[in-house]
Amino acid sequence: EVKLVESGGGLVQPGRSLKLSCAASGFSFNDYWMGWVRQAPGKGLEWIGEINQDSSTINYTPSLKDKFTISRDNAQNTLYLQMSKLGSEDTAIYYCTRARSRIMDAWGQGASVTVSS
Amino acid sequence: DIQMTQTPSSMPASLGERVTISCRASQDISNYLNWYQQKPDGTIKPLIYYTSNLQSGVPSRFSGSGSGTDYSLTISSLEPEDFAMYYCQQYDISPRTFGGGTRLDLK
Repeated sequence: EVKLVESGGGLVQPGRSLKLSCAASGFSFNDYWMGWVRQAPGKGLEWIGEINQDSSTINYTPSLKDKFTISRDNAQNTLYLQMSKLGSEDTAIYYCTRARSRIMDAWGQGASVTVSS
Repeated sequence: DIQMTQTPSSMPASLGERVTISCRASQDISNYLNWYQQKPDGTIKPLIYYTSNLQSGVPSRFSGSGSGTDYSLTISSLEPEDFAMYYCQQYDISPRTFGGGTRLDLK
């Protein structure tokens, strides 16, 4: 069974950093593109970015490129999202995704991030 | 960035009804259009990829069509579990933008 489990969410103060992790299991992690999507309270889905199998290609939505960094550790079957200079606008549920044939075909349950003092 | 416009934003419907949700891209996306379903508990499920291809396990009452900039998702006969949020997403060019979503409510 394909499983994606996000961790590392929580309450963080404005201006601080936070790193989310996504533990993958049930498939060959290093064969897939992976990505992150977020959803602010009461809002729609926002694509954050994606990373290819060997980390040689990483794409971001332009407005988040300077704040967020996507990385992966294929030996640990783990995807990461490093977030910096967080503001209230970054309060959201963050979803880890797997991509195959140009669709995000597996999703985690999401990690909640709240930015507040 | 490619802008994705979904209509309607909400739609009341009845069990057994046939419904269609539309999605328009700001430029030709060469059929790289996906559909997702989000349940109230936040769970997100992929439904259709490349305009009209059903993901494994998705019931045949779901179908997708379109080309160029205009796409649609049709549910032929609504079941209770179909009342949810639906999002389109273009996968032609990065960033892989989503539509604003359509909430399908029980009338």
